[in-house]
Amino acid sequence: DVKVTQSSRYLVKRTGEKVFLECVQDMDHENMFWYRQDPGLGLRLIYFSYDVKMKEKGDIPEGYSVSREKKERFSLILESASTNQTSMYLCASSFPGRGAFFGQGTRLTVV
Amino acid sequence: GEDVEQSLFLSVREGDSSVINCTYTDSSSTYLYWYKQEPGAGLQLLTYIFSNMDMKQDQRLTVLLNKKDKHLSLRIADTQTGDSAIYFCAETPGGYQKVTFGIGTKLQVIP
Repeated sequence: DVKVTQSSRYLVKRTGEKVFLECVQDMDHENMFWYRQDPGLGLRLIYFSYDVKMKEKGDIPEGYSVSREKKERFSLILESASTNQTSMYLCASSFPGRGAFFGQGTRLTVV
Repeated sequence: GEDVEQSLFLSVREGDSSVINCTYTDSSSTYLYWYKQEPGAGLQLLTYIFSNMDMKQDQRLTVLLNKKDKHLSLRIADTQTGDSAIYFCAETPGGYQKVTFGIGTKLQVIP
């Protein structure tokens, strides 16, 4: 079974903190993605990566950065957390053009 | 452009069939997907269809694709209470790397 593991299910951080969300996949997928999910807005793509050290901006990259130093790991970084970044964050991985497999999600609250 | 549209809500009685509809705009999409999200969880890839197919059946699930109208549907036969979830339609637009999601249809199954 494909496994995509996110480091935390729930996270509470203070405004202005630097936040790291980690994601690991075990299927040797080239592509990895970070989405955020908000009620009424569906899933919005923040960043994706199609190879180690490669990244591309998604639809809402502002306030976020990413790191992919190894194929299996894709990190999302909130440089200075703000309350409007309170959301459910979903990591996914896939082979190019194929269906993505998702982690269980991280519910981040910024207070 | 890339846009996937779905209705927000569907309510059916247990034992009936459910039909969830989706329209997409990118005619170059190679794969189209259906995902299921249960409360508090990540997305689970349910099934997919390649763009040169009209229909795909997998146990209780039937996917129909009308490429001319850019319309995709998911039929769930003999709907059970465990099918209550949010269902997302998704496509891989011509760029072949990203997956674009609809806003999700919440399926409520009434016992």
